Amino acid sequence: EPEVTQTPSHQVTQMGQEVILRCVPISNHLYFYWYRQILGQKVEFLVSFYNNEISEKSEIFDDQFSVERPDGSNFTLKIRSTKLEDSAMYFCASSAVTGVTEAFFGQGTRLTVV
Amino acid sequence: GQQLNQSPQSMFIQEGEDVSMNCTSSSIFNTWLWYKQDPGEGPVLLIALYKAGELTSNGRLTAQFGITRKDSFLNISASIPSDVGIYFCAGPRISGTASKLTFGTGTRLQVTL
Repeated sequence: EPEVTQTPSHQVTQMGQEVILRCVPISNHLYFYWYRQILGQKVEFLVSFYNNEISEKSEIFDDQFSVERPDGSNFTLKIRSTKLEDSAMYFCASSAVTGVTEAFFGQGTRLTVV
Repeated sequence: GQQLNQSPQSMFIQEGEDVSMNCTSSSIFNTWLWYKQDPGEGPVLLIALYKAGELTSNGRLTAQFGITRKDSFLNISASIPSDVGIYFCAGPRISGTASKLTFGTGTRLQVTL
C-alpha cells in the first residue's frame, strides 16, 4: 500500500542551526502539506503546497520556514534558524485531489532543538 | 479560528467494552474525518464522512456526520488492546488550491485487559 515516508525519524539540532526535514509523498498525489504537533498537543497545520507553490500557510509558518519540491518525488521543509520552541513532531501529508480532502500522513520527524 | 472540541478528553475502558466519543465545532464542515494516532506515529485515517446525517462503518468502527454539520461521533465496538491511542476528528477546509485540516483536541483511549 502506498505511503508517505519521512526522514529522518529523529533530528537533534542546536538552537540557531538550519534543519531540513524530508518527505516522499504518495506518488500520484498532487497536494502536499506539513503539519506540526508539539508534545501532548493537537496536530496543527503549517503549509499546503500545490503546483510548485505555496497554497496557504498558517501564522506559525513565518520567514524562518520554507518548503521546496526539489525534484519529482521529494518535498522538504527547511527551518533556517531553529528555536527551542520549534521542538515538535513534524508530519508531512499528501492528498490526491482538492475536494477529496483525505490527507495521508507520514510517520513524522521528531525535531529536538537543544 | 475554528475550534474542534472532543469529548471525553480521555477514557479508560476494559477490553470488550464499547466506546463512544464525539467532536463538536463552532462552525460548519462539509466533510468530517476521523484519525487515530499511535504513540510516536503519524495520524492514520479511519473514516471519512461526506454528507450530513451519513453513518459509515469500518469494521468495528462507526462514525456519524451530524445533521447540523457541526458535530460527529465515533463509536468503537468490542474494544481490543490495539485500539489504544489518540483519536482525532478533523475538518477540512478548501483554501486556495488545496485543503487544510483543523484537528480536534483528541480523545486518548486506554484499554485494560
